[in-house]
Amino acid sequence: QVQVVQSGAEVKKPGASVKVSCTASGYIFTDYVIHWVRQAPGQRLEWMGCIKVGNDDTKYSQKFQGRVTITRDTSASTAYMDLTSLTSEDTAVYYCAREKLGGYWFDPWGQGTLVTVSS
Amino acid sequence: QSALTQPPSVSGSPGQSVTISCTGTSSDVGYYNRVCWYQQPPGTAPKLMVYDVSNRPSGVPDRFSGSKSGNTASLTISGLQAEDEADYYCSSYTRSSTYVFGTGTKVTVL
Repeated sequence: QVQVVQSGAEVKKPGASVKVSCTASGYIFTDYVIHWVRQAPGQRLEWMGCIKVGNDDTKYSQKFQGRVTITRDTSASTAYMDLTSLTSEDTAVYYCAREKLGGYWFDPWGQGTLVTVSS
Repeated sequence: QSALTQPPSVSGSPGQSVTISCTGTSSDVGYYNRVCWYQQPPGTAPKLMVYDVSNRPSGVPDRFSGSKSGNTASLTISGLQAEDEADYYCSSYTRSSTYVFGTGTKVTVL
């Protein structure tokens, strides 16, 4: 079945970087878009950016521009989200989600990856 | 990009109907018919419930229905059931080719 599975929880110190992976299965990886969304504890969902897997085109939220990089490895059917210069405010669950090209909806979502930033 | 505005909470008894509003601007909700609704039970990942304002993915009960008027979209849950208790988020594609989510609404089944 179609699914996206993320890497495990991370604990990072302020100022460090984190790289979260999202591995797809059950569909043609290059035909879709992968989005990254985060959710701080008790807070709303927040869109971070996305990558069109087929042509490597990326789009980022202005809020994270310059700090986030989304990449993909088509041979591994995996997308990555790299966030730098971490602060305690980056403590959150990070989700990846699939979008059908031109679909404008996210389905399915990964299980989420908790990133904790603490000294 | 400011978040779309949703009521913090709505509640209803089993069998009743509840409606959640989602207010944006003429640059997102009002510009495109690209509004979605996601259900998120506690501690789980979001699940798509409605896309393109009023379409339901396969497997989503027809108790869930969506609509839009101007800059405000709405999700109605008819025949409320205990399993519908969760947080609900709207989202919209924007004129900047980005996405924005709503502030979230907690649905409580009394």
